Amino acid sequence: GALVYQYPRRTICKSGTSMRMECQAVGFQATSVAWYRQSPQKTFELIALSTVNSAIKYEQNFTQEKFPISHPNLSFSSMTVLNAYLEDRGLYLCGAAGTISNERLFFGHGTKLSVL
Amino acid sequence: GDSVTQTEGPVTVSESESLIINCTYSATSIAYPNLFWYVRYPGEGLQLLLKVITAGQKGSSRGFEATYNKETTSFHLQKASVQESDSAVYYCALTDTNAYKVIFGKGTHLHVLP
Repeated sequence: GALVYQYPRRTICKSGTSMRMECQAVGFQATSVAWYRQSPQKTFELIALSTVNSAIKYEQNFTQEKFPISHPNLSFSSMTVLNAYLEDRGLYLCGAAGTISNERLFFGHGTKLSVL
Repeated sequence: GDSVTQTEGPVTVSESESLIINCTYSATSIAYPNLFWYVRYPGEGLQLLLKVITAGQKGSSRGFEATYNKETTSFHLQKASVQESDSAVYYCALTDTNAYKVIFGKGTHLHVLP
């Protein structure tokens, strides 16, 4: 079956430091990867959508300078939160779609980021 | 922009009772968005529970049902008899012209008491 592994599940970083999270698709080729964030008391917001052979599209209020994304092949993507501060805490979720997914995203477990 | 509003939780029900979690949507860029219910069980990732892409149709999975009602712009989730294992967070969601931009509701935390 199609699975998406995301790691780490939880991470804590000091204010002003950066942390990287990774997402791996298993059982299908992830031509598109979407990264979401759920801040405390809020719902999931789309950060950016990465499609192989296309430019990464960031949503309003999110930038490449703050959330650089790598999508080097059809099974892997990573996103870094640079200079994390309190407002960056939350649950970050990757969703992947591609072959066999019929335009439906398969989601990972999420990475819960705490900032001290 | 598009939005989804759902029952605020937590919702607590006893096992074998019926359940309804309300969901209404607003889609400004497309007349007929695709509608979803996702579920996140404790310790697990976000999973698709059911999906309906045609107005008037009903989706069902694991005993849950939801009907796409274009007139009331609603997609309420119902189950006739819940089980303790249904305890989870449920998210109503939609997609419009971009299949990968999912607009989520805030989620409803369901506690089912044994």
